[in-house]
Amino acid sequence: RKEVEQDPGPFNVPEGATVAFNCTYSNSASQSFFWYRQDCRKEPKLLMSVYSSGNEDGRFTAQLNRASQYISLLIRDSKLSDSATYLCVVMPENTGNQFYFGTGTSLTVIP
Amino acid sequence: DAGVIQSPRHEVTEMGQEVTLRCKPISGHDYLFWYRQTMMRGLELLIYFNNNVPIDDSGMPEDRFSAKMPNASFSTLKIQPSEPRDSAVYFCASSLFSSPLHFGNGTRLTVT
Repeated sequence: RKEVEQDPGPFNVPEGATVAFNCTYSNSASQSFFWYRQDCRKEPKLLMSVYSSGNEDGRFTAQLNRASQYISLLIRDSKLSDSATYLCVVMPENTGNQFYFGTGTSLTVIP
Repeated sequence: DAGVIQSPRHEVTEMGQEVTLRCKPISGHDYLFWYRQTMMRGLELLIYFNNNVPIDDSGMPEDRFSAKMPNASFSTLKIQPSEPRDSAVYFCASSLFSSPLHFGNGTRLTVT
């Protein structure tokens, strides 16, 4: 079983829509969680860390569900500029700072 | 602050040639990672260092790949001899312990 699993999509949504991505992880001892965004032919960039209590940054909300071992990303009022691939990243305990990446979820926001 | 700096941005080489990719991590970061990304396999961890010491190189595909970190501000990934299947984007990233990764712009390698 993969450490981190994501629905690859693609998700095609109209501007202004709300879209949510989920990501599941297999190691219950995971301690740090992140969402990254990667634009075509560019490097992944940190979008936001995910905290146990959930956190929000503008139109973006991240949630962590430890019991079910998944994290989610909600994007409200989608913009054309949100079109990208979103990568879920998990760092388990006792792995020496090793990061596990999902394969990414592709989002296209349509005018 | 300067981010992670990689060079070259693009490299086109012929099969059999040696390729050297370079990375300068963010100053003060004590972890450095080398990743490879292809459409087929996504982002793969090749090797990572902590305080210049290789910690896990299990992702290095084969003996043709080697990585060094002679000091805290420089690392190289070398492929010798290169093969067409090595064509990919190679990313270097750095971090502090339990903190997010910061990626460089990547090196797009094409082996013909």
